[in-house]
Amino acid sequence: EVQLVQSGAEVKKPGESLKISCKGSGYSFTNYWIGWVRQMPGKGLEWMGIIYPGDSDSRYSPSFQGQVTISADKSISTAYLHWSSLKASDTAMYYCARHDYGDYVIPYWGQGTLVTVSS
Amino acid sequence: QTVVTQEPSFSVSPGGTVTLTCGLSSGSVSTTYYPSWYQQTPGQAPRTLIYSTNTRSSGVPDRFSGSILGNKAALTITGAQADDESDYYCVLYMGSGLWVFGEGTKLTVL
Repeated sequence: EVQLVQSGAEVKKPGESLKISCKGSGYSFTNYWIGWVRQMPGKGLEWMGIIYPGDSDSRYSPSFQGQVTISADKSISTAYLHWSSLKASDTAMYYCARHDYGDYVIPYWGQGTLVTVSS
Repeated sequence: QTVVTQEPSFSVSPGGTVTLTCGLSSGSVSTTYYPSWYQQTPGQAPRTLIYSTNTRSSGVPDRFSGSILGNKAALTITGAQADDESDYYCVLYMGSGLWVFGEGTKLTVL
């Protein structure tokens, strides 16, 4: 069974750094792209970016380029989303999701990680 | 920047049929964008319904169908049920490894 398990909720202050994680299991982690999706409170889903754990090739939405960093450690089947300096506007639920380019579908989703940034 | 447009809200009666659409702020949606559709209920992660325009994901009832209508992708729900009341998002593949979500449609069944 394919599973994406994300790290737990975080409460941070503006200016702090943060890295959240997404651990894949039940499939060959290095062979599928993993992406991140933001959902601000009461708002829609926004595609942030994606990484191929096999070679760490990554792509970013223009809206998120330079704002976050996506990385992966294939030795532990885990992808990461990193902020170097959080802002209050980063408060949101973040989902990781496997992207399948053969069928151009996002078939598997993590359970979400709630990030709250408040002074 | 490309905006993927969806109706903000839609209402359907139980048993009725509704078609939600997914367009582009400039240009037409075609199969080359590989439109997919996702359902999200409050507090839950999205669920995949349709991909590559019209392929139902495993376990999705056949009352959900996808198509291209004119210059937009479309999700049709035939025989709507109360538990279809959700937010629906389309996603388009824009090339170069980039994807874009639509703004989402809140569907009410009443």
